[in-house]
Amino acid sequence: DVVLTQSPLSLPVTLGQPASISCRSSRGLLHSDGNTYLNWFHQRPGQSPRLLIYGVSNRGSGVPDRFSGSGSGTDFTLMITRVEADDVGTYYCLQSTHRPPTFGQGTRLEIK
Amino acid sequence: EVQLVESGGGLVQPGGSLRLSCAASGFTFTSYWMSWVRQAPGKGLEWVANIRQDGGETNYVDSVKGRFIISRDNAKNSLFLQMNSLRVEDTAVYYCARGVTAVDWGQGTLVTVSS
Repeated sequence: DVVLTQSPLSLPVTLGQPASISCRSSRGLLHSDGNTYLNWFHQRPGQSPRLLIYGVSNRGSGVPDRFSGSGSGTDFTLMITRVEADDVGTYYCLQSTHRPPTFGQGTRLEIK
Repeated sequence: EVQLVESGGGLVQPGGSLRLSCAASGFTFTSYWMSWVRQAPGKGLEWVANIRQDGGETNYVDSVKGRFIISRDNAKNSLFLQMNSLRVEDTAVYYCARGVTAVDWGQGTLVTVSS
């Protein structure tokens, strides 16, 4: 199975400052159909996960443009330009290029 | 508005069975793969199973193969997960999700396997 390794696992950030989360894959995520199936999710405490980014860099419905995704091959990044209080929680990457789909272990963002 | 509502969770003894349901609305159910994802208490997300639009293809994580069965009823816009031979390590919140890429999620239903 594809292993997704996120870093850091814990991310203390000052309000208004940028944040970055890495997701590295044990195999390349470019599908034979030309797409790269790498998504990012945000889960607030006590809530269901919510889609932030799909297909590496496309924002989900209603996602603020403070969030952006980038990367290719095996290295991917989620960027938040200015962290707000509502951004606390855990961030996960998911690959569905290879079966079975697999998640990263999660990165917990907290406000300093 | 997309809605996914899970039900059927509860407390069950090891070796027992449980059937989860997910009622879908707000989108064309027959156009999407559907997935189950679980989250053990205090842990991360784990993909469990998915099923093709027509039900003709299913996939499972190794740890549930031979014990869980995913199915769907397209006439009723419903997704199911039949869980047999349950183990303590199956204890988790089970989420229903739209698509292989989990575009939308339900609120989850808690399954507790304990004696």
